[in-house]
Amino acid sequence: GENVEQHPSTLSVQEGDSAVIKCTYSDSASNYFPWYKQELGKRPQLIIDIRSNVGEKKDQRIAVTLNKTAKHFSLHITETQPEDSAVYFCAATMGSNDYKLSFGAGTTVTVRA
Amino acid sequence: DTAVSQTPKYLVTQMGNDKSIKCEQNLGHDTMYWYKQDSKKFLKIMFSYNNKELIINETVPNRFSPKSPDKAHLNLHINSLELGDSAVYFCASSRSVRGSRNTIYFGEGSWLTVV
Repeated sequence: GENVEQHPSTLSVQEGDSAVIKCTYSDSASNYFPWYKQELGKRPQLIIDIRSNVGEKKDQRIAVTLNKTAKHFSLHITETQPEDSAVYFCAATMGSNDYKLSFGAGTTVTVRA
Repeated sequence: DTAVSQTPKYLVTQMGNDKSIKCEQNLGHDTMYWYKQDSKKFLKIMFSYNNKELIINETVPNRFSPKSPDKAHLNLHINSLELGDSAVYFCASSRSVRGSRNTIYFGEGSWLTVV
């Protein structure tokens, strides 16, 4: 995206291993950082999000960390399963505009059985 | 009982034609969006309406015209279709309460192919 960079573009992991996706943003006023998962042929769906006043958030096997000083945030998936295979998008609000999300270019995650 | 529904799901049309994609949400949200996802999966916002008022209008050719008859509906009309318009168009909606979680819910997408 214009303001959000996402790496890597593809990620292949062995089932049971962890997957980490990293994003950086440019606007220090950004205050909301969601992560979306898009399975093949389906719609993007929110899996976890974090606001700028929180450094880390966890939901079962998924966690997100935010470093506001460095302007980067990461998605961590532990104990990966085949159903985790999908395209993952990070996003950040454009400045303090809650309506406007800038998406990263996506990471295609493949979990090998 | 789909939360955000859009029609048609698939659309194949010839260059130069005019087509519309319709979107409706039953979540009670007052903000709706159109996103375009190109062949490289890149998601880019096109328009957003809040209570029928246009609040986001990204750099999009004026062949694209959104229309929001009420806060539950946001349609997208495209004139003089070009090959480069081929993409998946996602409608989405969210609540507009500032400072709170702003989850965007996407529709299932409309696959537009211009030939």
